[in-house]
Amino acid sequence: GAGVSQSPSNKVTEKGKDVELRCDPISGHTALYWYRQSLGQGLEFLIYFQGNSAPDKSGLPSDRFSAERTGGSVSTLTIQRTQQEDSAVYLCASSSTLAVGQRTDTQYFGPGTRLTVL
Amino acid sequence: AQSVAQPEDQVNVAEGNPLTVKCTYSVSGNPYLFWYVQYPNRGLQFLLKYITGDNLVKGSYGFEAEFNKSQTSFHLKKPSALVSDSALYFCAVRDVGAGNNRKLIWGLGTSLAVNP
Repeated sequence: GAGVSQSPSNKVTEKGKDVELRCDPISGHTALYWYRQSLGQGLEFLIYFQGNSAPDKSGLPSDRFSAERTGGSVSTLTIQRTQQEDSAVYLCASSSTLAVGQRTDTQYFGPGTRLTVL
Repeated sequence: AQSVAQPEDQVNVAEGNPLTVKCTYSVSGNPYLFWYVQYPNRGLQFLLKYITGDNLVKGSYGFEAEFNKSQTSFHLKKPSALVSDSALYFCAVRDVGAGNNRKLIWGLGTSLAVNP
């Protein structure tokens, strides 16, 4: 696609329910990132997928959070037993494989999913 | 530990005046530095990045940023501000020492208000 897409754009759920957030990266991008943007706290790294490598889950705040990436494309972030402190905007970004001699990538972001836990 | 600081929560400038949004960083190795802009209810948009080479980097929408290694700063600038530049600006750094994880470390953002 033309850009990173995320769905839903807004999600309101009750405390204790599970939610799934979807990210569709730019076609051909091998790297995919999830970040969380909380009010007044900037962006917080959650998880990183690169090709077929094992994901870097070092940013996931608890074991209630998990993510998968199927077929190297679409990713789903799942939050189980949601808590009010999970309320935030969840942002997905993707980037392409580094070309020979290229030192770093540029991450392109989707519009985010605003999660509200009541 | 790697960190990014944006010392100003808000910057106000008059339309047509030059603007500066400040960013300082702390990393263990050589930094890769980025600026993104976020308009209301929209995702982050990439503005520019510094990797190596010329310390003055030019980006989208007339923005530029100056890398200053001795001051560990990467301030965002624009010679003449537009009302449409009003948005939230984020500085980010990727630590070269982070290995294969290309995650970015983010500042808390600076809200820019350009007054007509």
